[in-house]
Amino acid sequence: DAGVIQSPRHEVTEMGQEVTLRCKPISGHDYLFWYRQTMMRGLELLIYFNNNVPIDDSGMPEDRFSAKMPNASFSTLKIQPSEPRDSAVYFCASSGYGQPQHFGDGTRLSIL
Amino acid sequence: AQSVTQLDSQVPVFEEAPVELRCNYSSSVSVYLFWYVQYPNQGLQLLLKYLSGSTLVESINGFEAEFNKSQTSFHLRKPSVHISDTAEYFCAVSDRRTGGGNKLTFGTGTQLKVEL
Repeated sequence: DAGVIQSPRHEVTEMGQEVTLRCKPISGHDYLFWYRQTMMRGLELLIYFNNNVPIDDSGMPEDRFSAKMPNASFSTLKIQPSEPRDSAVYFCASSGYGQPQHFGDGTRLSIL
Repeated sequence: AQSVTQLDSQVPVFEEAPVELRCNYSSSVSVYLFWYVQYPNQGLQLLLKYLSGSTLVESINGFEAEFNKSQTSFHLRKPSVHISDTAEYFCAVSDRRTGGGNKLTFGTGTQLKVEL
């Protein structure tokens, strides 16, 4: 069974560019989470969805960040415009009700 | 709201020695407890979980953790570590009322470094 799949694995782009991170959750999981990991702030929950509906976006740092889940098998996290301080590893995770979260391998984002 | 404290940011230990990684939590409601492990350049993997029942839970690779409600702790232990255990370990909690698999609050992580 495939795990959570994230793409791209690495992204390097210049400040001001739009960045789109993608996530395919495990089939049958109805919760999807986006996290950001940095040395300074550790692992932060940005937003999570239940049945494709955003439930809690209180961790989204600014209006430059947006997330969508158009269907049960796909989600995107978009940063527009990107800034150097957005450089981090972004993780997607999914889970079923009452089940532990399963994480993808992350997208390492570098904004120059 | 919950919070998780991992007091040790780094724990160096020699191979075959025992190790304990400490985790304390704070919550006004009952919680589920988890340990996740992160190897370099990888995502977090579930190591073990406490949902209910026996307060001592074990993983397939020799780690164990004990839920202590009175001390609000969930320390992770292994009697004999291997080089391959070198990784970062995260303790996490979630609100029982939301089903357990949902919103997690993570600690800041403990880097376990096993040396020869």
